[in-house]
Amino acid sequence: DVKVTQSSRYLVKRTGEKVFLECVQDMDHENMFWYRQDPGLGLRLIYFSYDVKMKEKGDIPEGYSVSREKKERFSLILESASTNQTSMYLCASSLLQISSYNEQFFGPGTRLTVL
Amino acid sequence: AQKITQTQPGMFVQEKEAVTLDCTYDTSDPSYGLFWYKQPSSGEMIFLIYQGSYDQQNATEGRYSLNFQKARKSANLVISASQLGDSAMYFCAMTPRGDDKIIFGKGTRLHILP
Repeated sequence: DVKVTQSSRYLVKRTGEKVFLECVQDMDHENMFWYRQDPGLGLRLIYFSYDVKMKEKGDIPEGYSVSREKKERFSLILESASTNQTSMYLCASSLLQISSYNEQFFGPGTRLTVL
Repeated sequence: AQKITQTQPGMFVQEKEAVTLDCTYDTSDPSYGLFWYKQPSSGEMIFLIYQGSYDQQNATEGRYSLNFQKARKSANLVISASQLGDSAMYFCAMTPRGDDKIIFGKGTRLHILP
């Protein structure tokens, strides 16, 4: 079974702190994604990566950066956390697409609260 | 622009009844895939069902079926014989061929009543 793990289920940080959210997948997937989920807004893509050291901005990249030094690991970084970044963060991975079937496999999510 | 629309923010259904969750999409790509995911209160996203735009038959997976009406750009999820464990948020999603990203709708929260 594909497994995507995230470093924390719940996280509480203070405004201005630097925050690292880690995601690891064990299925050798090329693609990895970070989403943010807020009530009434669905899932919004922050960044995605299609290869090591490669990244592409999603719909809401402002205030975030990412790092992918190894294929299995994709990190989301909040350089200076703000209260409006309080949210549920979901990581996902998928194979490089060769058809329209590119199921994404999700981690359990990290619920981040910024005080 | 590609877009997924789920018009039902919330639904209440009696246990054992069938449920239809609405989804319409907008794309100009001739080839695309449609997905439904379930998100229980625990937070993890669970893949339910997939439909390719060129598939001739509607997809089915156990109690889940996808009512695909291509001309209407509609991809409704049908859950037969609903169970209490079906209470969750449901997301419709789409990916065009050649694009590794998935576009998600805003979701429908389904409540199954005993």
